Amino acid sequence: QKEVEQDPGPLSVPEGAIVSLNCTYSNSAFQYFMWYRQYSRKGPELLMYTYSSGNKEDGRFTAQVDKSSKYISLFIRDSQPSDSATYLCAMRRLGAQKLVFGQGTRLTINP
Amino acid sequence: DTGVSQDPRHKITKRGQNVTFRCDPISEHNRLYWYRQTLGQGPEFLTYFQNEAQLEKSRLLSDRFSAERPKGSFSTLEIQRTEQGDSAMYLCASSVSGSSYEQYFGPGTRLTVT
Repeated sequence: QKEVEQDPGPLSVPEGAIVSLNCTYSNSAFQYFMWYRQYSRKGPELLMYTYSSGNKEDGRFTAQVDKSSKYISLFIRDSQPSDSATYLCAMRRLGAQKLVFGQGTRLTINP
Repeated sequence: DTGVSQDPRHKITKRGQNVTFRCDPISEHNRLYWYRQTLGQGPEFLTYFQNEAQLEKSRLLSDRFSAERPKGSFSTLEIQRTEQGDSAMYLCASSVSGSSYEQYFGPGTRLTVT
Protein backbone atom coordinates (compact mmCIF):
# COMPACT_ATOMS: atom_id res chain seq x y z
CA GLN A 1 0.00 0.00 0.00
CA LYS A 2 1.29 3.44 -0.92
CA GLU A 3 1.80 6.01 1.84
CA VAL A 4 -0.23 8.57 -0.13
CA GLU A 5 -3.24 7.62 -2.24
CA GLN A 6 -4.73 9.89 -4.87
CA ASP A 7 -7.36 9.06 -7.47
CA PRO A 8 -5.66 9.53 -10.85
CA GLY A 9 -8.91 10.48 -12.57
CA PRO A 10 -9.27 11.74 -15.21
CA LEU A 11 -11.72 14.31 -13.90
CA SER A 12 -13.62 16.49 -16.36
CA VAL A 13 -15.88 19.37 -15.27
CA PRO A 14 -17.51 22.38 -16.98
CA GLU A 15 -16.05 25.84 -16.67
CA GLY A 16 -17.21 27.64 -13.54
CA ALA A 17 -17.75 24.45 -11.51
CA ILE A 18 -16.30 23.86 -8.06
CA VAL A 19 -13.63 21.18 -8.18
CA SER A 20 -12.75 18.96 -5.26
CA LEU A 21 -9.48 17.02 -5.26
CA ASN A 22 -8.49 14.67 -2.47
CA CYS A 23 -5.71 12.56 -1.03
CA THR A 24 -5.57 10.07 1.82
CA TYR A 25 -2.47 8.99 3.64
CA SER A 26 -1.41 6.33 6.06
CA ASN A 27 1.56 7.86 7.90
CA SER A 28 0.33 9.87 10.89
CA ALA A 29 3.77 11.49 11.16
CA PHE A 30 3.09 13.71 8.14
CA GLN A 31 2.86 17.33 9.31
CA TYR A 32 3.31 19.44 6.18
CA PHE A 33 0.90 19.21 3.26
CA MET A 34 1.22 20.69 -0.19
CA TRP A 35 -0.61 20.85 -3.48
CA TYR A 36 1.30 21.20 -6.72
CA ARG A 37 -0.05 21.84 -10.22
CA GLN A 38 1.76 20.28 -13.14
CA TYR A 39 1.11 21.11 -16.77
CA SER A 40 2.02 18.55 -19.40
CA ARG A 41 5.78 18.04 -19.72
CA LYS A 42 6.53 20.77 -17.16
CA GLY A 43 7.80 20.74 -13.58
CA PRO A 44 5.38 20.87 -10.62
CA GLU A 45 4.34 24.36 -9.49
CA LEU A 46 3.58 24.92 -5.81
CA LEU A 47 -0.03 26.04 -5.24
CA MET A 48 -0.76 25.64 -1.55
CA TYR A 49 1.23 24.82 1.57
CA THR A 50 -0.28 24.05 4.98
CA TYR A 51 1.06 22.90 8.30
CA SER A 52 -0.91 20.44 10.42
CA SER A 53 -4.73 20.57 10.39
CA GLY A 54 -7.00 23.37 9.24
CA ASN A 55 -7.94 25.39 6.20
CA LYS A 56 -6.00 27.79 4.03
CA GLU A 57 -7.41 29.98 1.30
CA ASP A 58 -5.63 31.70 -1.57
CA GLY A 59 -7.81 33.30 -4.18
CA ARG A 60 -9.91 30.62 -5.87
CA PHE A 61 -8.04 27.82 -4.08
CA THR A 62 -8.78 26.39 -0.63
CA ALA A 63 -6.74 23.64 1.01
CA GLN A 64 -8.11 21.58 3.88
CA VAL A 65 -6.28 19.15 6.12
CA ASP A 66 -8.04 16.70 8.45
CA LYS A 67 -5.32 14.85 10.31
CA SER A 68 -7.77 12.82 12.35
CA SER A 69 -9.06 11.25 9.14
CA LYS A 70 -5.69 11.40 7.33
CA TYR A 71 -7.41 13.23 4.50
CA ILE A 72 -6.52 16.38 2.60
CA SER A 73 -8.49 18.31 -0.01
CA LEU A 74 -8.03 21.06 -2.54
CA PHE A 75 -11.04 23.03 -3.71
CA ILE A 76 -10.99 25.19 -6.83
CA ARG A 77 -13.82 27.71 -7.18
CA ASP A 78 -14.95 29.24 -10.46
CA SER A 79 -12.77 26.79 -12.38
CA GLN A 80 -11.20 28.01 -15.61
CA PRO A 81 -9.89 26.13 -18.67
CA SER A 82 -6.41 27.30 -17.65
CA ASP A 83 -6.80 25.17 -14.49
CA SER A 84 -6.62 22.06 -16.66
CA ALA A 85 -3.55 20.21 -15.42
CA THR A 86 -2.46 17.37 -13.16
CA TYR A 87 -2.77 18.16 -9.46
CA LEU A 88 -0.33 16.46 -7.10
CA CYS A 89 -0.66 16.28 -3.36
CA ALA A 90 2.57 16.01 -1.39
CA MET A 91 3.45 15.73 2.26
CA ARG A 92 6.40 15.31 4.58
CA ARG A 93 7.21 14.48 8.18
CA LEU A 94 8.46 17.02 10.70
CA GLY A 95 12.25 17.12 10.43
CA ALA A 96 12.31 15.15 7.18
CA GLN A 97 13.26 16.66 3.87
CA LYS A 98 11.77 14.41 1.25
CA LEU A 99 8.31 15.01 -0.11
CA VAL A 100 6.04 12.01 -0.59
CA PHE A 101 3.71 12.56 -3.53
CA GLY A 102 0.39 11.12 -4.56
CA GLN A 103 -0.05 9.78 -8.06
CA GLY A 104 -1.67 12.99 -9.27
CA THR A 105 -5.20 13.69 -10.55
CA ARG A 106 -5.58 14.75 -14.15
CA LEU A 107 -8.18 17.56 -14.36
CA THR A 108 -9.82 19.01 -17.47
CA ILE A 109 -12.02 22.12 -17.34
CA ASN A 110 -14.29 22.26 -20.39
CA PRO A 111 -15.24 25.70 -21.80
CA ASP B 1 14.42 34.23 -14.74
CA THR B 2 15.18 33.50 -11.08
CA GLY B 3 13.62 30.05 -10.83
CA VAL B 4 15.25 26.63 -10.78
CA SER B 5 16.82 25.78 -14.13
CA GLN B 6 17.76 22.38 -15.54
CA ASP B 7 19.84 21.37 -18.50
CA PRO B 8 19.30 19.67 -20.85
CA ARG B 9 15.53 19.68 -21.09
CA HIS B 10 15.50 16.51 -23.17
CA LYS B 11 18.05 13.73 -23.55
CA ILE B 12 17.84 10.67 -25.76
CA THR B 13 20.53 8.07 -25.21
CA LYS B 14 21.23 4.48 -26.07
CA ARG B 15 21.20 1.79 -23.43
CA GLY B 16 24.58 1.45 -21.77
CA GLN B 17 25.64 5.06 -22.26
CA ASN B 18 26.35 7.49 -19.41
CA VAL B 19 24.35 10.70 -19.04
CA THR B 20 24.75 13.76 -16.83
CA PHE B 21 22.14 16.36 -15.94
CA ARG B 22 22.66 19.77 -14.39
CA CYS B 23 20.50 21.76 -11.98
CA ASP B 24 20.92 25.40 -10.98
CA PRO B 25 18.84 26.22 -7.89
CA ILE B 26 17.31 29.55 -6.91
CA SER B 27 20.30 31.64 -5.87
CA GLU B 28 19.57 32.04 -2.15
CA HIS B 29 18.43 28.43 -1.63
CA ASN B 30 20.91 26.21 0.20
CA ARG B 31 18.94 22.96 -0.12
CA LEU B 32 18.70 21.08 -3.40
CA TYR B 33 16.68 17.96 -4.17
CA TRP B 34 16.47 15.43 -6.99
CA TYR B 35 13.29 13.53 -7.80
CA ARG B 36 12.32 11.11 -10.56
CA GLN B 37 8.89 11.01 -12.17
CA THR B 38 7.64 8.28 -14.47
CA LEU B 39 4.59 8.63 -16.69
CA GLY B 40 1.34 8.78 -14.76
CA GLN B 41 3.05 8.80 -11.37
CA GLY B 42 4.00 11.44 -8.83
CA PRO B 43 7.64 12.40 -8.31
CA GLU B 44 9.76 10.08 -6.16
CA PHE B 45 12.56 11.38 -3.98
CA LEU B 46 16.11 10.44 -4.94
CA THR B 47 18.48 12.56 -2.86
CA TYR B 48 19.05 15.97 -1.30
CA PHE B 49 21.89 18.31 -0.45
CA GLN B 50 22.31 20.99 2.14
CA ASN B 51 25.01 23.24 0.77
CA GLU B 52 27.62 20.80 -0.61
CA ALA B 53 26.77 17.91 1.72
CA GLN B 54 24.62 15.06 0.44
CA LEU B 55 22.51 14.27 3.49
CA GLU B 56 20.02 11.68 2.32
CA LYS B 57 19.79 9.14 -0.49
CA SER B 58 16.82 7.01 -1.41
CA ARG B 59 17.19 3.29 -1.98
CA LEU B 60 15.95 4.13 -5.49
CA LEU B 61 19.38 5.65 -6.08
CA SER B 62 21.26 2.58 -7.26
CA ASP B 63 25.03 2.32 -7.61
CA ARG B 64 24.72 3.55 -11.19
CA PHE B 65 23.46 6.92 -9.98
CA SER B 66 25.64 9.60 -8.45
CA ALA B 67 24.89 13.18 -7.54
CA GLU B 68 27.21 16.00 -6.62
CA ARG B 69 26.92 19.60 -5.56
CA PRO B 70 30.40 21.10 -5.56
CA LYS B 71 30.70 24.41 -3.71
CA GLY B 72 27.05 24.23 -2.74
CA SER B 73 25.81 25.86 -5.92
CA PHE B 74 24.71 23.87 -8.96
CA SER B 75 24.27 20.10 -8.84
CA THR B 76 24.82 17.29 -11.30
CA LEU B 77 23.13 13.90 -11.50
CA GLU B 78 24.96 11.21 -13.44
CA ILE B 79 23.54 7.88 -14.54
CA GLN B 80 26.06 5.29 -15.65
CA ARG B 81 25.27 2.37 -17.97
CA THR B 82 21.73 3.57 -18.59
CA GLU B 83 18.89 1.06 -18.79
CA GLN B 84 15.48 1.41 -20.42
CA GLY B 85 13.94 1.55 -16.95
CA ASP B 86 15.82 4.81 -16.34
CA SER B 87 13.55 6.58 -18.84
CA ALA B 88 11.75 9.23 -16.79
CA MET B 89 11.55 12.92 -16.00
CA TYR B 90 14.33 13.95 -13.60
CA LEU B 91 13.24 16.90 -11.50
CA CYS B 92 15.33 19.21 -9.39
CA ALA B 93 13.95 21.37 -6.60
CA SER B 94 15.43 23.84 -4.16
CA SER B 95 14.49 25.49 -0.88
CA VAL B 96 15.88 27.46 2.01
CA SER B 97 16.66 25.60 5.22
CA GLY B 98 14.49 25.90 8.31
CA SER B 99 11.62 24.19 10.03
CA SER B 100 9.02 25.35 7.55
CA TYR B 101 9.86 25.81 3.91
CA GLU B 102 8.68 25.17 0.44
CA GLN B 103 10.34 23.26 -2.38
CA TYR B 104 10.33 24.90 -5.80
CA PHE B 105 10.77 22.69 -8.82
CA GLY B 106 12.57 23.19 -12.09
CA PRO B 107 11.17 22.23 -15.51
CA GLY B 108 12.81 18.80 -15.43
CA THR B 109 15.03 16.81 -17.78
CA ARG B 110 13.20 14.18 -19.78
CA LEU B 111 15.40 11.13 -20.38
CA THR B 112 14.61 8.55 -23.01
CA VAL B 113 16.78 5.43 -23.14
CA THR B 114 16.46 3.50 -26.39
